[in-house]
Amino acid sequence: QVQLQESGPGLVRPSETLTLTCTVSGYSVSRAYYWGWVRQPPGKGLEWIGNIYHTGSTYLSPSLKSRVTISLDTSKNQFSLKLSSVTAADTAVYYCARPIVATTPGWYFDLWGRGTLVTVSS
Amino acid sequence: DIQMTQSPSTLSASVGERVTITCRASQSISAWLAWYQHKPGKAPKLLIYKASSLESGVPSRFSGSGSGTDFTLTISSLQPDDFATYYCQQYYSYSQTFGQGTRVEVK
Repeated sequence: QVQLQESGPGLVRPSETLTLTCTVSGYSVSRAYYWGWVRQPPGKGLEWIGNIYHTGSTYLSPSLKSRVTISLDTSKNQFSLKLSSVTAADTAVYYCARPIVATTPGWYFDLWGRGTLVTVSS
Repeated sequence: DIQMTQSPSTLSASVGERVTITCRASQSISAWLAWYQHKPGKAPKLLIYKASSLESGVPSRFSGSGSGTDFTLTISSLQPDDFATYYCQQYYSYSQTFGQGTRVEVK
């Protein structure tokens, strides 16, 4: 049974870099599949951030691309999100998820973590 | 980006009732639509993909239909475990987008 679990600081200062990690159990992140991040600001809808393929290729939301880095750590079976120059608008629950590709350019998500709240505040 | 609009935003229903949630896309997305169930503090759960394909392990009381711009999620007989928020998501475009959610609450 594949499970995903987010971890990272719950509070980040404005202008700093938000770093989150997703630990995957039950499957090797280097074996196959995409792995991704989605967020939900308080009171708002879900927003796709980006995905990484098991080979290391990344696919990022155009609206966040300039500030986002997603990487794999195969030795720990984890993947990570870095979001730079954060502001209060980046306050959200951040979810890691497993994207499934269809024949379209987009993905849907068949597995999710429970999410972690990150607050941007001084 | 393709905008996804769900209605209603909140739905009050009783156990045993038939429930229908609507999702409308701002442009045609063929059948590239997924539905999720989300309960507070839990991981979102995939229910339906490709508009009408039931994810493995999901009860058959859940069904999806539609194509183009208009889609529905139907729960044939609402169960106590079904009170949650439901989201649609289009994956026709690279920048996949989600609806704002429909909260199903106890009537």
